Amino acid sequence: DVKVTQSSRYLVKRTGEKVFLECVQDMDHENMFWYRQDPGLGLRLIYFSYDVKMKEKGDIPEGYSVSREKKERFSLILESASTNQTSMYLCASSFTRTARHEQYFGPGTRLTVT
Amino acid sequence: GDSVTQMEGPVTLSEEAFLTINCTYTATGYPSLFWYVQYPGEGLQLLLKATKADDKGSNKGFEATYRKETTSFHLEKGSVQVSDSAVYFCALSDKGGATNKLIFGTGTLLAVQP
Repeated sequence: DVKVTQSSRYLVKRTGEKVFLECVQDMDHENMFWYRQDPGLGLRLIYFSYDVKMKEKGDIPEGYSVSREKKERFSLILESASTNQTSMYLCASSFTRTARHEQYFGPGTRLTVT
Repeated sequence: GDSVTQMEGPVTLSEEAFLTINCTYTATGYPSLFWYVQYPGEGLQLLLKATKADDKGSNKGFEATYRKETTSFHLEKGSVQVSDSAVYFCALSDKGGATNKLIFGTGTLLAVQP
């Protein structure tokens, strides 16, 4: 079974703090993704990576950065957290360079910025 | 650009009722289509998929048929259970699968009452 794990289920941070969200997959997948999920908006892609050290912006990259130093790990960084970044963050991975195959999701991290 | 439209919820049904959740899409080329399910407190998991026109995806009693002529991929189940209560997301592979991204709908909350 593919397993995608995220470092925290719940996180509370203060405005202005630097926040790291970690994601690890154990199936040697090439692609990894970070989404945020908000009520009424569904899933919105923040960043994705199709290889080590490679990254591409998704639909809402502002205020975020990412790091992929190893194939199995993809980190999302909030450089200076703001209250409008309070959300559920979901990490996903997939095997090939096309999206004809499904993505596998982690359990999510619910981040609250106060 | 490619997009997915699914019916707004919540959808509230009694146990053993028939379920339909509508999903229509706009796409370039010939995308793969997916239904994902998110149970309370969890990440998304793939429910079923179809990769070409007239394909029927099925899993756990749920079915959806890829209808190219109506650009639809409606989710159906003949008899829902309380345990089916979740958020359901329709998705397609961006640009017919030429990229590694998925485009998600906004999700439909299903609540099944005993």
